[in-house]
Amino acid sequence: GESVGLHLPTLSVQEGDNSIINCAYSNSASDYFIWYKQESGKGPQFIIDIRSNMDKRQGQRVTVLLNKTVKHLSLQIAATQPGDSAVYFCAENRLRYDYKLSFGAGTTVTVRA
Amino acid sequence: EPEVTQTPSHQVTQMGQEVILRCVPISNHLYFYWYRQILGQKVEFLVSFYNNEISEKSEIFDDQFSVERPDGSNFTLKIRSTKLEDSAMYFCASSDKGGYYGYTFGSGTRLTVV
Repeated sequence: GESVGLHLPTLSVQEGDNSIINCAYSNSASDYFIWYKQESGKGPQFIIDIRSNMDKRQGQRVTVLLNKTVKHLSLQIAATQPGDSAVYFCAENRLRYDYKLSFGAGTTVTVRA
Repeated sequence: EPEVTQTPSHQVTQMGQEVILRCVPISNHLYFYWYRQILGQKVEFLVSFYNNEISEKSEIFDDQFSVERPDGSNFTLKIRSTKLEDSAMYFCASSDKGGYYGYTFGSGTRLTVV
């Protein structure tokens, strides 16, 4: 069956450095991918999304890269700040089939001062 | 910025009791969802709701679960007879275009079944 998962459960990064969070998905029918940030005790917060007809999209301090050949998604955070400490989830949506999101297991990012 | 509001933030209930979790989606959204997250695990889809009916549900969403949009603003999740394994964070979400442009999640209700 399909799955969306992250390579590493935890990531420790020095404040000011760039962070790279990875995600592998197995369903080639996925059309749309989203990165969410979840802080303790809160719901998932939308960061950035990308459609399957794109391979890169940039936001404010964040970039998402999509490699459909190897079914890989990454989130890059530039100049990581203490407020970036959270759990990051990738999620996929198969627009031709349904509207639900399938989430990966999450990567906990800890920013060291 | 518009928000999805969930109440209560915490709910403790005894096994076998019924609980109703409440959500107020964003006012112009048409698609509504419930997800849950068991502590330390990933977020799991439960059910989607559109045009006053369930459009999709997961295997988790068995006969003990039901959803309702009783009026123009609220969206509820009912668990008829709670089990210990229902303990989790329950998130409501809404979207305006079937999720294509992403969802807005609420802050969740932490349900503890004792």
